[in-house]
Amino acid sequence: AQSVTQLGSHVSVSEGALVLLRCNYSSSVPPYLFWYVQYPNQGLQLLLKYTSAATLVKGINGFEAEFKKSETSFHLTKPSAHMSDAAEYFCAVSDAGGTSYGKLTFGQGTILTVHP
Amino acid sequence: NAGVTQTPKFQVLKTGQSMTLQCAQDMNHNSMYWYRQDPGMGLRLIYYSASEGTTDKGEVPNGYNVSRLNKREFSLRLESAAPSQTSVYFCASRYSGGSYNEQFFGPGTRLTVL
Repeated sequence: AQSVTQLGSHVSVSEGALVLLRCNYSSSVPPYLFWYVQYPNQGLQLLLKYTSAATLVKGINGFEAEFKKSETSFHLTKPSAHMSDAAEYFCAVSDAGGTSYGKLTFGQGTILTVHP
Repeated sequence: NAGVTQTPKFQVLKTGQSMTLQCAQDMNHNSMYWYRQDPGMGLRLIYYSASEGTTDKGEVPNGYNVSRLNKREFSLRLESAAPSQTSVYFCASRYSGGSYNEQFFGPGTRLTVL
């Protein structure tokens, strides 16, 4: 069984500061990992995904994440926060097995607040 | 492309009423999914359809049924709504050519059961 833990249900940063959202996963098989963003009253939009091609993954809007197998982590970072980054962020895992059918297991989400 | 569309956007039901949430995608995706989102719990999978003609239970299937009407459409039915089913429901679809392919999400249906 897979699981995802996002440390910190709320993260608050100042505009221009580093954004770090933490995600740890457990999986019995090599995982595929995803970060999604949800703006208020909208659906989820893919930020980036790890598919084993490279451990450092770059996504949209200046976000990136690094896959660290030894730490079972996939933390999301952005060097400089912008007001428009305020949203809820979800980490998700899918196993690479043929019977997974791409099912995702989500973390509980982290709400990012950006202060001027 | 409209992507993934869901109807209705909002719905209020009384306990015991039934309703069907509709979902359609125009991306020629094979797999479709229904999730519910509750505060502090992320998204949880209710049912999924790996391909046209197949459906299977996810993590929280009790109280729900689904129909994969054709390749484009995947509906979720609540036969007898309960207050515990108050939630935001998301439909998603995915091209199943590789396990790493991401899911695309609809805008959601906000359901309140009184």
